[in-house]
Amino acid sequence: SQQGEEDPQALSIQEGENATMNCSYKTSINNLQWYRQNSGRGLVHLILIRSNEREKHSGRLRVTLDTSKKSSSLLITASRAADTASYFCATDSTAGGTSYGKLTFGQGTILTVHP
Amino acid sequence: DTAVSQTPKYLVTQMGNDKSIKCEQNLGHDTMYWYKQDSKKFLKIMFSYNNKELIINETVPNRFSPKSPDKAHLNLHINSLELGDSAVYFCASSPLTSGGGRARDTQYFGPGTRLTVL
Repeated sequence: SQQGEEDPQALSIQEGENATMNCSYKTSINNLQWYRQNSGRGLVHLILIRSNEREKHSGRLRVTLDTSKKSSSLLITASRAADTASYFCATDSTAGGTSYGKLTFGQGTILTVHP
Repeated sequence: DTAVSQTPKYLVTQMGNDKSIKCEQNLGHDTMYWYKQDSKKFLKIMFSYNNKELIINETVPNRFSPKSPDKAHLNLHINSLELGDSAVYFCASSPLTSGGGRARDTQYFGPGTRLTVL
């Protein structure tokens, strides 16, 4: 299996509910990032959490990182129909020395928020 | 206003042809990347350039050749196109070599080029 695997693969919720997506990875990391991709568009950076951090907030987003379990979660609170998109985690790994920003992406979670 | 732009947005071509995709960023970043996203939405890095120097070169067929005329541009040339090359190709940039902080590691993506090889 690959670095940066998201779970679930698809999530369908109603507006106003919270959405939680999980990501697992295999190697040691410098940081872990979450990106959003709307259908037919490029990726947009949401939030970055460094390996020495455990939790970060940005607006309605909350990211946690557990390096002992090699896992992260992204929580979107009070979801909106506009949050409908694919969400990817990406790891910047320390394996092999300097990463030069080489990100390894998972296959993403497709989030659908129904109005 | 566009931060990272790619041309063309769509590219439909026959097997065996040679094609190029262009990427430009006006963010003043030092580092640029090419990614390939397959039909299952799996996104994989192909190349990265830092100040016109190749720094990441993943296991990509020799038919793919990136070219960086200056640090604001990173073009991708593909020779002898094959059916399996059909995908969406994304260009991205990041400050990377600037000072510390969140922005340093953030990558900014272009809108993508959907390549279809017939």
